[in-house]
Amino acid sequence: DTAVSQTPKYLVTQMGNDKSIKCEQNLGHDTMYWYKQDSKKFLKIMFSYNNKELIINETVPNRFSPKSPDKAHLNLHINSLELGDSAVYFCASRSTGGGGYTFGSGTRLTVV
Amino acid sequence: GQQVMQIPQYQHVQEGEDFTTYCNSSTTLSNIQWYKQRPGGHPVFLIQLVKSGEVKKQKRLTFQFGEAKKNSSLHITATQTTDVGTYFCAQLAGNMLTFGGGTRLMVKP
Repeated sequence: DTAVSQTPKYLVTQMGNDKSIKCEQNLGHDTMYWYKQDSKKFLKIMFSYNNKELIINETVPNRFSPKSPDKAHLNLHINSLELGDSAVYFCASRSTGGGGYTFGSGTRLTVV
Repeated sequence: GQQVMQIPQYQHVQEGEDFTTYCNSSTTLSNIQWYKQRPGGHPVFLIQLVKSGEVKKQKRLTFQFGEAKKNSSLHITATQTTDVGTYFCAQLAGNMLTFGGGTRLMVKP
């Protein structure tokens, strides 16, 4: 019954590989996000989708491609992984009615 | 997005001592949200402040929004070991939440 669930929780992969992270929310929220948290704990927004439409795309390399098949899901695909992509990636959602963001438990990506 | 600066970056306290983290902006904030992230965990929403001079309390936590809406603070009275974690302020502008750098709180038992 987790509100925002991400899979996998941990991902270790080699440079150059392609990987995906999945996110699902069962809160009925309209907007979903991807955030990247670096080793210094800084949280930076990457993408935002509202009802399957991309509304925010911060300065993120083209190797990162979000996909939202429906408003309850927002997946993140990363091509040609680089060492600098190592971080914790958080999915989050929010109702357009307001309030705080609900975060998933995160995916710790390690590129070796 | 607007930058929110948070200080201090780290704070060590003895259990029972008080703790305060500050969030500052050079421009007026429409609102401020506060989150707590436990070690190894994910950010959890604590509260949102919207009105100038607003003060809200949650048990031992007191949140304030400055009169000019350019700063905010989170004060914890008599810290406990369960308060350990990183506290983030964040500003919501449109549909984008921009986080401060966070204050990492460590509590010695």
